[in-house]
Amino acid sequence: GAGVSQSPSNKVTEKGKDVELRCDPISGHTALYWYRQSLGQGLEFLIYFQGNSAPDKSGLPSDRFSAERTGGSVSTLTIQRTQQEDSAVYLCASSQRTGAGGLYNEQFFGPGTRLTVL
Amino acid sequence: GESVGLHLPTLSVQEGDNSIINCAYSNSASDYFIWYKQESGKGPQFIIDIRSNMDKRQGQRVTVLLNKTVKHLSLQIAATQPGDSAVYFCAEKGWQGGKLIFGQGTELSVKP
Repeated sequence: GAGVSQSPSNKVTEKGKDVELRCDPISGHTALYWYRQSLGQGLEFLIYFQGNSAPDKSGLPSDRFSAERTGGSVSTLTIQRTQQEDSAVYLCASSQRTGAGGLYNEQFFGPGTRLTVL
Repeated sequence: GESVGLHLPTLSVQEGDNSIINCAYSNSASDYFIWYKQESGKGPQFIIDIRSNMDKRQGQRVTVLLNKTVKHLSLQIAATQPGDSAVYFCAEKGWQGGKLIFGQGTELSVKP
């Protein structure tokens, strides 16, 4: 079946502009995650959604970053007033439920969106 | 705070040799560890995982070892092939939620 998809694959924007990044998780997966990967670095957790629960926003670096998940499926990560340090690859992942009994569910990653802020 | 890190940023091996990639973690309460492989331009791909109640787990050509005493994790790749060239990340699943905490990554280069 289809994996996690993300769009656009590449995004170049000017400093100060807003950007929206989209993630389509695997059908039926109730958990969705956003990570950021700077050049040559590991992945940094940003936010995750689990079903109808309040999202865990503990990894968002500033209030310029926000995310929503509509209808428990597609998610959009929005970065307002982009800065050059926001340049990175933004990765989305999904899994079956987390929480009790779901600790070991594999996270499947999309190909990422490469964001370049000029 | 919690952290997961790698000892070596790069590793170069000859095709056919065995590779060992190491990882140190700091949260002794972590319950689950995963190794991911990331090829250029792609998202991380699951390789193998291990739970904290185990010290060894084997897959096809890969073995993960967990030493909880020294909080050390390793990935062994047998008979390394050119297709194994990639960046390898260890990750830890925190007890408090579904997010993964990743190490910095080791780039494995396989020479033919």
